[in-house]
Amino acid sequence: DVQLVEAGGGLVQPGGSLRLSCAVSGFTFNMNWMSWVRQAPGKGLEWVANINEDGSEKNYVDSVKGRFAVSRDNARNSLYLQMNSLRAEDTAVYYCVKGIGYLGPWGQGTQVTVSS
Amino acid sequence: EIVLTQSPGTLSLSPGERATLSCRASQTVSSSYLAWYQHQGGQAPRLLIYDASRRATGIPDRFSGSGSGTDFTLTITRLEPEDFAVYYCQQYGSSPLTFGPGTKVDIK
Repeated sequence: DVQLVEAGGGLVQPGGSLRLSCAVSGFTFNMNWMSWVRQAPGKGLEWVANINEDGSEKNYVDSVKGRFAVSRDNARNSLYLQMNSLRAEDTAVYYCVKGIGYLGPWGQGTQVTVSS
Repeated sequence: EIVLTQSPGTLSLSPGERATLSCRASQTVSSSYLAWYQHQGGQAPRLLIYDASRRATGIPDRFSGSGSGTDFTLTITRLEPEDFAVYYCQQYGSSPLTFGPGTKVDIK
C-alpha cells in the first residue's frame, strides 16, 4: 500500500520557522517528482512547491519564493518543507503528494497555524 | 497563470442522480492536461481523472471526464452516498499548477 505521512505541523508565531516532513512508502520514491500542496481554512487547494527525483530541480509558487525550501532524502524515503518567515496567510493544511503534473496519491496533511 | 473557474459552486442532488460539474480555464490548457480530484472533509484528496478523460487507478466507471481547450466536464452518472464531497479541477499544462475553487456536491 502507498503511504505518505506528514509530520511537523503546529502553532508558530509570525516570522517563525517550521520544518515539515513526509515519510513515504509503497512506491519507488527516488524515481518520482514530489510536491507540496496546501489548503487554507475555507479555501481551495494551492500548489506550493515541487522537487525532482534527485533534488536538483525545485519550483515554488511566487508567494513562498525565498521563504520556503523543499528538499528530499532518498535514502530515508522522505520529503521536507522548510518554512521560514512565516505569515498568517501561510496558515493551512499542508499535503505531501506524489507527482509533478497530475497529483496522487496524497497524504492526510499536517496543520500549520501562524498566529501570535 | 491559468485561472480555473468551476460551476456551480454547490450542486444539491439525491443519491442515484447524475452530476455534471464544469471547469473553465482562462486560456487553453495545453494537451488537455486537466485533472479532477475528490476531497472529503478530513481526508486526503483523491485523484479521479487525469489528461481530461483518463480515470485514475481504482476509480469507478461512474466517473468520467471530457473536454478540451478551455472547457472541461466531470460527470458522475449515478451518485453513491460516498460521492458527496468537494471536487476540484487542476491544470498542469503550464506553470504554475493551478486549481479551481471547487464544486461542492451535497445531498438534497
